[in-house]
Amino acid sequence: GAGVSQTPSNKVTEKGKYVELRCDPISGHTALYWYRQSLGQGPEFLIYFQGTGAADDSGLPNDRFFAVRPEGSVSTLKIQRTERGDSAVYLCASSLSGGYQETQYFGPGTRLLVL
Amino acid sequence: AQSVTQLGSHVSVSEGALVLLRCNYSSSVPPYLFWYVQYPNQGLQLLLKYTSAATLVKGINGFEAEFKKSETSFHLTKPSAHMSDAAEYFCADGGSEKLVFGKGTKLTVNP
Repeated sequence: GAGVSQTPSNKVTEKGKYVELRCDPISGHTALYWYRQSLGQGPEFLIYFQGTGAADDSGLPNDRFFAVRPEGSVSTLKIQRTERGDSAVYLCASSLSGGYQETQYFGPGTRLLVL
Repeated sequence: AQSVTQLGSHVSVSEGALVLLRCNYSSSVPPYLFWYVQYPNQGLQLLLKYTSAATLVKGINGFEAEFKKSETSFHLTKPSAHMSDAAEYFCADGGSEKLVFGKGTKLTVNP
């Protein structure tokens, strides 16, 4: 079956602009995660959805970052007033029900470059 | 707070040699440990995971890892490296639902 997909694969924007990054999880997976991977670092947790609601958004760095999952499937990560420091690969993952032993399946990521 | 430390940001081995990638965890709750591999321009792929059923865990592509509670370690090994093993490897702790990753180890395999 289809894995986790993310669009766009690459996004170049200018400082101060607004961007949206999309994630399509594996069908039937209720848990969805967003991570950010900066150059030379491991992925860092941003937010975790269980169904439509954000179960844990403690990783969002500030109020410029927001994510939604209105129908419990596709999720969109939104970044307002982008800064050069937001440049990174944004990874999305999904798991069947969100338990901490569960395998998270990752998408290929969106590479964001803020000029 | 959870943390994961991967010793050695770069490891280089010869084809056919033993691969050893180190991972130490620090967690106040029982750890649920994972190893992921990331090939260039691709997403993370699960290699193996520790779920407390057995301390020696076998994964895909001939990799295995041993959980040692006394050493708080979960090192990844493979007896004989192949050129196709060249990638970046991440250890992660999932003890609190969100994964906490180490910084990664880039493996180079020399012919």
